[in-house]
Amino acid sequence: DGGITQSPKYLFRKEGQNVTLSCEQNLNHDAMYWYRQDPGQGLRLIYYSQIVNDFQKGDIAEGYSVSREKKESFPLTVTSAQKNPTAFYLCASSFAPLGNEQFFGPGTRLTVL
Amino acid sequence: KNEVEQSPQNLTAQEGEFITINCSYSVGISALHWLQQHPGGGIVSLFMLSSGKKKHGRLIATINIQEKHSSLHITASHPRDSAVYICAVVGFTGTASKLTFGTGTRLQVTL
Repeated sequence: DGGITQSPKYLFRKEGQNVTLSCEQNLNHDAMYWYRQDPGQGLRLIYYSQIVNDFQKGDIAEGYSVSREKKESFPLTVTSAQKNPTAFYLCASSFAPLGNEQFFGPGTRLTVL
Repeated sequence: KNEVEQSPQNLTAQEGEFITINCSYSVGISALHWLQQHPGGGIVSLFMLSSGKKKHGRLIATINIQEKHSSLHITASHPRDSAVYICAVVGFTGTASKLTFGTGTRLQVTL
């Protein structure tokens, strides 16, 4: 089955710790994205990548880092520099260009204790 | 003011009712997406449209580019339609396209 997987579904971390969220797709999509969703707000773009070994900051990249070493994978690291990391994180992918239909993963809910 | 506004924010309907969700935007766009988010959090793309109207099953999406407005209609609503419906527009930032999302319309369909 083709699709996007994110793991884990729920993640808890202590303040001051870095944590990495996984995102894998087998749809052969070139573009991948990370979004953050907070209650009462629309999805906000953290980072996106249009091609392997290249990625761009989105609207709220501070405190986050990404890598794109393989076409299928786009992990997101939430660093201790992110002031308010508790949120629901969604990964998505699409065929280029960026405005095309996006396919979303199931999301990871991160809670900082 | 948000670039993408949805109305209503919350909507309760009885099974069988015809439902309309509205999306207005203030920027130039190349396309508009309608998405559905289920209670577990997963998001599914329903439509991508740049003009006119699209239909899929009981769902119909329309867009009026001149008025900067789109509607999502659900005919013969069913409890399984209960979800958050999100409108997103494809605009431009520099040389890249960009998706801007509305805050969503929470729909509850009761028996």
